Amino acid sequence: DIQMTQSPSSLSASVGDRVTITCRASQTISTYLNWYQQKPGKAPKLLIYAASSLQGGVPSRFTGSGSGTDFTLTISSLQPEDFATYYCQQSFMTRFTFGGGTKVEIK
Amino acid sequence: QVQLVQSGAEVKKPGASVKVSCKASGYTFTNYDINWVRQATGQGLEWMGWMNPISGNTNYAQKFQGRVTMTRNTSVSTAYMELSSLRSEDTAIYYCARGGSPASAFDFWGQGALVTVSS
Repeated sequence: DIQMTQSPSSLSASVGDRVTITCRASQTISTYLNWYQQKPGKAPKLLIYAASSLQGGVPSRFTGSGSGTDFTLTISSLQPEDFATYYCQQSFMTRFTFGGGTKVEIK
Repeated sequence: QVQLVQSGAEVKKPGASVKVSCKASGYTFTNYDINWVRQATGQGLEWMGWMNPISGNTNYAQKFQGRVTMTRNTSVSTAYMELSSLRSEDTAIYYCARGGSPASAFDFWGQGALVTVSS
């Protein structure tokens, strides 16, 4: 199975900060990479699919980039509602796998 | 609007089985795969497998092979996930999620079903 490694596992940031989360795949996955946001007690929510396409209704401050093995999720200006845990997921192989998550906390 | 509504919380004893349902509405059930993802308390997301509602074909994560069965009833637009030989480590919230194009992303999720395994 393809292993997905996210970094950092957690970070502290302030409202208005630019935040970057990285995700690395154990083998090339082209752009078959999706990003999800999860808030406590809620189901995950799709933010970005195919590495860089914004899901409908998701604010434009979220951007995704990358291809091959290295990917990035960037929040251009962190808002109070963005404090959550973020997960990457590969869909290149049909045995899908998630990264371990990155918890974004308030500084 | 698209909705996936899951069955309620369950408490099971070690060694038992549990069957969680996921009823779809607001779209054509057979047009999208259904995935199952679980999350233990304070832990990350773990993909368990997917099922194609038209064919019934499945693809399970290696970890769950032999213990998980995913089925569907297209007449009621409902998918099911049964996990057998339960142990305490299976205590988790189990989510169903709609998958497919584009990029096989999971665009809609159920509310989750808590399964507690305890003697």
